[in-house]
Amino acid sequence: DAKTTQPPSMDCAEGRAANLPCNHSTISGNEYVYWYRQIHSQGPQYIIHGLKNNETNEMASLIITEDRKSSTLILPHATLRDTAVYYCIAYSMDSNYQLIWGAGTKLIIKP
Amino acid sequence: SQTIHQWPATLVQPVGSPLSLECTVEGTSNPNLYWYRQAAGRGLQLLFYSVGIGQISSEVPQNLSASRPQDRQFILSSKKLLLSDSGFYLCAWSVHPAVETQYFGPGTRLLVL
Repeated sequence: DAKTTQPPSMDCAEGRAANLPCNHSTISGNEYVYWYRQIHSQGPQYIIHGLKNNETNEMASLIITEDRKSSTLILPHATLRDTAVYYCIAYSMDSNYQLIWGAGTKLIIKP
Repeated sequence: SQTIHQWPATLVQPVGSPLSLECTVEGTSNPNLYWYRQAAGRGLQLLFYSVGIGQISSEVPQNLSASRPQDRQFILSSKKLLLSDSGFYLCAWSVHPAVETQYFGPGTRLLVL
């Protein structure tokens, strides 16, 4: 079973910030939070990951709460091409090569 | 730069027929390799992973098998396809020994009739 829970779907207006939440209340101290996205009929794409601190790269920002029980992926200026399913995954080196994929959040960017 | 190829892109096969899906990676050496299956509207299910030539680990019992005859080649096979084998098959690689950042191929959509 997935260690994370996400809303099944979200809408966001083009040009606005898209904030995708993820709950991981049972995350352990050595588990990182990873985000991937999958555009329709394509393979998933790595976005960002973090452990405790907030992280930012050219694609997105990741905000992790101080208790690490939840996080938010932020796409600062969403475009139509950001429409995809976004997966939040908790992973540690103890996970025996398995990334546990849930159903993710279907993000629809509307013009 | 690294690239990952999968073929074919789509495949329609009758029940009971054999299957061979191929995945190759370019631009890296000794990668970890993975086969996933994705049912419609669902997350990815890990089928097999490999940390080296000839080393295959299976995560889910099924009528599929995997082989890694060369460092950057990963093959998914079946002797007799079932209807339940239909799905979207994805190959991925990661830098050995890391697992968490995986790079995916374009996938093969398999329909078993």
